[in-house]
Amino acid sequence: EAGVAQSPRYKIIEKRQSVAFWCNPISGHATLYWYQQILGQGPKLLIQFQNNGVVDDSQLPKDRFSAERLKGVDSTLKIQPAKLEDSAVYLCASSLVGTQYEQYFGPGTRLTVT
Amino acid sequence: GNSVTQMEGPVTLSEEAFLTINCTYTATGYPSLFWYVQYPGEGLQLLLKATKADDKGSNKGFEATYRKETTSFHLEKGSVQVSDSAVYFCALSDNTNAGKSTFGDGTTLTVKP
Repeated sequence: EAGVAQSPRYKIIEKRQSVAFWCNPISGHATLYWYQQILGQGPKLLIQFQNNGVVDDSQLPKDRFSAERLKGVDSTLKIQPAKLEDSAVYLCASSLVGTQYEQYFGPGTRLTVT
Repeated sequence: GNSVTQMEGPVTLSEEAFLTINCTYTATGYPSLFWYVQYPGEGLQLLLKATKADDKGSNKGFEATYRKETTSFHLEKGSVQVSDSAVYFCALSDNTNAGKSTFGDGTTLTVKP
């Protein structure tokens, strides 16, 4: 079974530039999560989708971050414009629907904003 | 809002020592509880879980019991190995809030031979 795929793995940009991350979840997983993990901290949920709909995006900085999940499968997270404090690892995870199901994580994208 | 609090680390133990990593949570309903582990150079993966009060999750010699009365889910292992060195994250999924996910800040465990 293929795991959660993410790209790119690494990205370096200057502040005020834009960047996009892509995630392909495990086939059949209707729930998809985007997290921001700053060094030394736990993953912080940015947005949670169930199929095409948004379950929670209360911690997504909507003035600069946006995310979409087309056709309930792949998802894209965008930052525009980037700030220095956006430097972090961006994790994508997916799961079956239901709180009893565990999440499967992708390898993450390490973003450095200079 | 929901929160997960883990004991501050890092934790350093000798091989075969007993391990406890404390985790307490705040949630409006009755969440499912998870421990995830991140080994050096690898991604996050599930270690164990419990979905209702008094359930015990177990895997690879690790155990954790869902204690509703103390809102805790402490991770234990009777005899740690060098290969258990990793970062451990406690997490919850809130079934009264459409399954919203919350993670703790992680505890780094180093086991020395």
